[in-house]
Amino acid sequence: NAGVTQTPKFQVLKTGQSMTLQCAQDMNHEYMSWYRQDPGMGLRLIHYSVGAGITDQGEVPNGYNVSRSTTEDFPLRLLSAAPSQTSVYFCATSSLTSGETQYFGPGTRLLVL
Amino acid sequence: AQKITQTQPGMFVQEKEAVTLDCTYDTSDQSYGLFWYKQPSSGEMIFLIYQGSYDEQNATEGRYSLNFQKARKSANLVISASQLGDSAMYFCAMREWGGSYIPTFGRGTSLIVHP
Repeated sequence: NAGVTQTPKFQVLKTGQSMTLQCAQDMNHEYMSWYRQDPGMGLRLIHYSVGAGITDQGEVPNGYNVSRSTTEDFPLRLLSAAPSQTSVYFCATSSLTSGETQYFGPGTRLLVL
Repeated sequence: AQKITQTQPGMFVQEKEAVTLDCTYDTSDQSYGLFWYKQPSSGEMIFLIYQGSYDEQNATEGRYSLNFQKARKSANLVISASQLGDSAMYFCAMREWGGSYIPTFGRGTSLIVHP
């Protein structure tokens, strides 16, 4: 039972490159979300999903795309990376049946040069 | 407007003493939940404690307690008998049942415990 996994752990990109941050969970949670963490800014919600096939924007969605074709996976796509997207990215999952706890992945550190 | 406000960017406490980390929130929902998470220097997010808006009693989990004052919209975290391992970032978060069910986080408070 791996919980929430994120890959890669670290990534360096050049401005304009694209990449996908992977998030997978094996807890059958319906809610999945992506946050970015920047110094002094806390965690800000990028996109979230309340179930397979359903996604919505959070506080800071610009420059990011998501899709949710399965319950398990919720990839975050950067179509054209910018230095402002340098951050630590966390995926999180929760469920109405998991109670109050939100489960976080270990995070992905992204540097855009 | 920020939904979660943590006004203390940094706090210092002596080992074995108690410390209170402040959190105020803004919501018009009647049903909501408040959380505290700890983030040590290793980076993982660790769930500490939860308080529901309808809970009569303040939540407690070991050395952690949540001082919930609904009328003041505050949800302060109290850590009793601080330990060196409590040095970390602490985040307050809120989930609104009338909204997306996805928590909104504050900017965090950095706690340093001195020996």
